[in-house]
Amino acid sequence: VMTQSPLSLPVALGQPASISCKSSQSLVYSDENTHLNWFQQRPGQSPRRLIYKVSKRDSGVPDRFSGSGSGTDFTLKISRVEAEDVGIYYCMQGTHWPLAWTFGQGTKVEIK
Amino acid sequence: QVQVVESGGGVVRPGRSLRLSCVVSGFTFRSYDMHWVRQAPGKGLEWVASIWFDGSNENYVDSVKGRFSISRDNSNNTLYLQMSSLRVDDTAVYYCARDTPHYYDPSGYYPTSWGQGTLVTVSS
Repeated sequence: VMTQSPLSLPVALGQPASISCKSSQSLVYSDENTHLNWFQQRPGQSPRRLIYKVSKRDSGVPDRFSGSGSGTDFTLKISRVEAEDVGIYYCMQGTHWPLAWTFGQGTKVEIK
Repeated sequence: QVQVVESGGGVVRPGRSLRLSCVVSGFTFRSYDMHWVRQAPGKGLEWVASIWFDGSNENYVDSVKGRFSISRDNSNNTLYLQMSSLRVDDTAVYYCARDTPHYYDPSGYYPTSWGQGTLVTVSS
């Protein structure tokens, strides 16, 4: 189980934002990687991965997005929120045996 | 470039069946594990089913076990989701999504790819 908080996050433009994700079990996998991902879903769009393996940014993702954490506690931070960052953010755990994905409930980021 | 295109959604009565398709291009489909993920109206993302690169192993969320079946045709770059005994709470946008290659390099970089989704509405 992946538990996100807060579920709603109003943020003023240019201000930082932080989303927490807690897993019910350690996410360290047999390949010694921690397969914790963060996805962004803008209104009306498909989800887009921002962060993989806890802290690595996907190609094209602005450096204002950063991921951190270990074990069971993880955080997504936006250093300075921009208008295009409005949307819902999901943490996601991936396992390969069994092959499955588990998503957090989602955190809605909106401009205050 | 990578393309993932779902189709097959529509309106269906409770108890009936529907088959979704996902045609991909731009990558070596037969090497990649694949998933179906759904999103009910106004709700979050829910993983539904997954399948190994060669189709030899499948996994399902408990709520669809025994009703849904995931399969693939590697010769035609197509992923399927056969849905039967549909219920009102199966109403959702269904996304097809690419995972990593089954035999992946733990230090490698593997972008994911999702389609635009196909809407399934189960209603009487």
